Amino acid sequence: DQQVKQNSPSLSVQEGRISILNCDYTNSMFDYFLWYKKYPAEGPTFLISISSIKDKNEDGRFTVFLNKSAKHLSLHIVPSQPGDSAVYFCAASALGSGAGSYQLTFGKGTKLSVIP
Amino acid sequence: DTAVSQTPKYLVTQMGNDKSIKCEQNLGHDTMYWYKQDSKKFLKIMFSYNNKELIINETVPNRFSPKSPDKAHLNLHINSLELGDSAVYFCASSQDLWGAGGYTFGSGTRLTVV
Repeated sequence: DQQVKQNSPSLSVQEGRISILNCDYTNSMFDYFLWYKKYPAEGPTFLISISSIKDKNEDGRFTVFLNKSAKHLSLHIVPSQPGDSAVYFCAASALGSGAGSYQLTFGKGTKLSVIP
Repeated sequence: DTAVSQTPKYLVTQMGNDKSIKCEQNLGHDTMYWYKQDSKKFLKIMFSYNNKELIINETVPNRFSPKSPDKAHLNLHINSLELGDSAVYFCASSQDLWGAGGYTFGSGTRLTVV
């Protein structure tokens, strides 16, 4: 049962344009969401997070949007750079003690290729 | 200065063997985890420890046994290795039980069972 879904396995974007990566979740207990970036042969590295009390969080070129009613979040990268080429994982957690707590539940990842 | 380090990075072994993967974090975090990334690329939690106490033990064969001698170390021992155990195993740590602020991952151990 996939509680966090990233339906696009890959995405190609021209350098300088916007990259939009999408993520859907099913567990209504999730209230904290994160994006991780992963290069080959390395571990995932934390990129940006958002809690359910917000609908937007920005950090430089990266912005995460959360739509709780739709159980959907997205990561925007503007402008995209070739160094952004990596696999991006969406992850979710529940900050209480119920289902989904004390762990991150990951999506399957989206491979982003930024073309120079 | 590596924050979460796991060894070895690559491990090739025969079916039936017993092997261990070690993990250490120097971040002063209270919680450590083992995640498995299988051939379908899903990252799934296996275990978590908070201050040496087992918190999460997902549906993992009991051939897998985690050991946390102190809060900076979480090792993974695997008995009687099977072909299906081939995967990349990631160690991670977080400040607290809820991982607020994100997890810090090690670079992974690619286990190949032949």
